[in-house]
Amino acid sequence: AQSVTQLGSHVSVSEGALVLLRCNYSSSVPPYLFWYVQYPNQGLQLLLKYTSAATLVKGINGFEAEFKKSETSFHLTKPSAHMSDAAEYFCAVSESRDDKIIFGKGTRLHILP
Amino acid sequence: GAVVSQHPSWVICKSGTSVKIECRSLDFQATTMFWYRQFPKQSLMLMATSNEGSKATYEQGVEKDKFLINHASLTLSTLTVTSAHPEDSSFYICSAGGGANTEAFFGQGTRLTVV
Repeated sequence: AQSVTQLGSHVSVSEGALVLLRCNYSSSVPPYLFWYVQYPNQGLQLLLKYTSAATLVKGINGFEAEFKKSETSFHLTKPSAHMSDAAEYFCAVSESRDDKIIFGKGTRLHILP
Repeated sequence: GAVVSQHPSWVICKSGTSVKIECRSLDFQATTMFWYRQFPKQSLMLMATSNEGSKATYEQGVEKDKFLINHASLTLSTLTVTSAHPEDSSFYICSAGGGANTEAFFGQGTRLTVV
């Protein structure tokens, strides 16, 4: 069964600094991997998605993630943090044989002025 | 992009009553929808897969008799929390779509408070 581990339930970075949110996955088949963002009391918005094409995936709002099979990782990065990036971020995995998406526990990103 | 709409966005009910939450795909057909539950400051836990025209598939540990799912059409799935108790208070989110070539779209969520 697939699973996702997000390291760090809270991450704080200064405005303008690099954002790095870590995600490791486990899957018995080649996975599809996702990063979602959630603002308070709202649903989820897809940031980016890996589906076995390019290993470096670019998403919205300047975010990108790199799929590294050897490390079973899919870390999310952004070169320069903005205050508006403060939110909860979820890494998720899905297997090709169904559309179920399994989420990590989430990482709350805090942006320091 | 495609839109998934949930209704209501929030509901308060008395303990022992039942509450129905609707999830609609507004501009696409969804043979499969998913229901998630999110406790405060925690992740989304998949509750069940809603299958159009057939029984839902529940994840381990989810009480099927308490969380009734009906997927009677290609654009509507409903989740009914029966005999609600305060511990059922949570944020419930549905999704539709997904897989390799499509994006999963999430509803805006329903905040259920049982008093």
